Amino acid sequence: GNSVTQMEGPVTLSEEAFLTINCTYTATGYPSLFWYVQYPGEGLQLLLKATKADDKGSNKGFEATYRKETTSFHLEKGSVQVSDSAVYFCALTSNTGGFKTIFGAGTRLFVKA
Amino acid sequence: EAGVTQFPSHSVIEKGQTVTLRCDPISGHDNLYWYRRVMGKEIKFLLHFVKESKQDESGMPNNRFLAERTGGTYSTLKVQPAELEDSGVYFCASSPRQEYGYTFGSGTRLTVV
Repeated sequence: GNSVTQMEGPVTLSEEAFLTINCTYTATGYPSLFWYVQYPGEGLQLLLKATKADDKGSNKGFEATYRKETTSFHLEKGSVQVSDSAVYFCALTSNTGGFKTIFGAGTRLFVKA
Repeated sequence: EAGVTQFPSHSVIEKGQTVTLRCDPISGHDNLYWYRRVMGKEIKFLLHFVKESKQDESGMPNNRFLAERTGGTYSTLKVQPAELEDSGVYFCASSPRQEYGYTFGSGTRLTVV
């Protein structure tokens, strides 16, 4: 079945450091890939998405590129801020999975000033 | 536009009691989903409505859980009787099309004691 694996956290960085959160997936068909973010005390928000191979999703300085050859969708940001502290979820939706979204376990990011 | 609204935001009940969670999706979104996150683990799919019909309820854990979507508008998720392992955060999401990504509500944190 479809699945998403993302790096375990927590990840602790200093402000302005470079961020990478790894995500790999297993899916049949042609999945769309997503990153969601959950800030403290809030619900999940869609951060960015990519719907086909080689697409790059970007938002708020975050980027992720859909790599079909490595089945990956790693999240990156060049310079993190304290306000980026949150839990990040990688997810996929596949037309062969009944279109329900499969989530990774989430990676908690702490950014210190 | 108004987002996805869930209430209550928190609920503490005793084992054996009944709890009903409510979700109001974004107006016009035919697709409504219920997910839950237990003990900080990955977010698990519960079920998917298209309008008032259950499209996929493969994630419902057992017959103590009952979901309805009256007239294709708001949805309720009833747990009766609640057990300790039902504790977690229950998320509702809606989408105009399944492959677009979801808009999530803030979640209901359920604690069964």
